[in-house]
Amino acid sequence: DAGVTQSPTHLIKTRGQQVTLRCSPISGHKSVSWYQQVLGQGPQFIFQYYEKEERGRGNFPDRFSARQFPNYSSELNVNALLLGDSALYLCASSLDTVAPAFFGQGTRLTVV
Amino acid sequence: QKEVEQNSGPLSVPEGAIASLNCTYSDRGSQSFFWYRQYSGKSPELIMFIYSNGDKEDGRFTAQLNKASQYVSLLIRDSQPSDSATYLCAVGGRGGSYIPTFGRGTSLIVHP
Repeated sequence: DAGVTQSPTHLIKTRGQQVTLRCSPISGHKSVSWYQQVLGQGPQFIFQYYEKEERGRGNFPDRFSARQFPNYSSELNVNALLLGDSALYLCASSLDTVAPAFFGQGTRLTVV
Repeated sequence: QKEVEQNSGPLSVPEGAIASLNCTYSDRGSQSFFWYRQYSGKSPELIMFIYSNGDKEDGRFTAQLNKASQYVSLLIRDSQPSDSATYLCAVGGRGGSYIPTFGRGTSLIVHP
C-alpha cells in the first residue's frame, strides 16, 4: 500500500501569490491533518478533516483554508503568501480523529 | 496556550547506552501523549503513544508518563547510531480532542 503522498515536494512562490498543496491519505484512512513546520521547531497544527468535515483548526489566519474530497484526499490553500509562510507543510492521515499516525514526505514551500 | 517543553539538545550518548528524553507540558487536562522520531530532512514518524500513568514498553523504547508532575519521557535502550534523530514530544488535548501540540524536539546523537 502506498503511504501518505503529498504534491508538490518543493515549491517556490512570490509574496502575495496563492498556493495549493495536495495530499492523498493512506487507503482506508478518513482523517487528514495539516501541519506547518518551521526549521528548528515542532510541527504546528493547521487543520484536521474527518469524513470531509472540518474537525479542528489551529491558530492560523484566514489566509489558510483547506478541504477534503469524497475520496478523502485533501488540499491546503494559502492566499496572499508572506515570507513567513516559508516552511515544510506536512500532511498526516489516520483512521479516525486520533493523533496523526502517518505523515507524508511534506511540501517544502519557499516564499521569496 | 498549551505548551510542550523539550530541551533542544543535542543529547549525545555512546552506542549501547540508554538515552533519556524528557518533555513537560502545561495543560493538566491533557490525556494523550506521543513520541515521534524525525530524521534530518524527513517527516516525523510515530514511535510511541501512552495514555495512562506509568511505563509502556515497545522493543528498545519505553515511554513513561507522570500526569501529577506533567512529565513524559522516552527511554531508548541499547542506543544505536541509527537512532540519531530529533525526537518530538506531542501532547493531545482534553475532551475528546486529540489534536496534539508538539514540542520543538530534542536532537539525539548516538556516537560509535
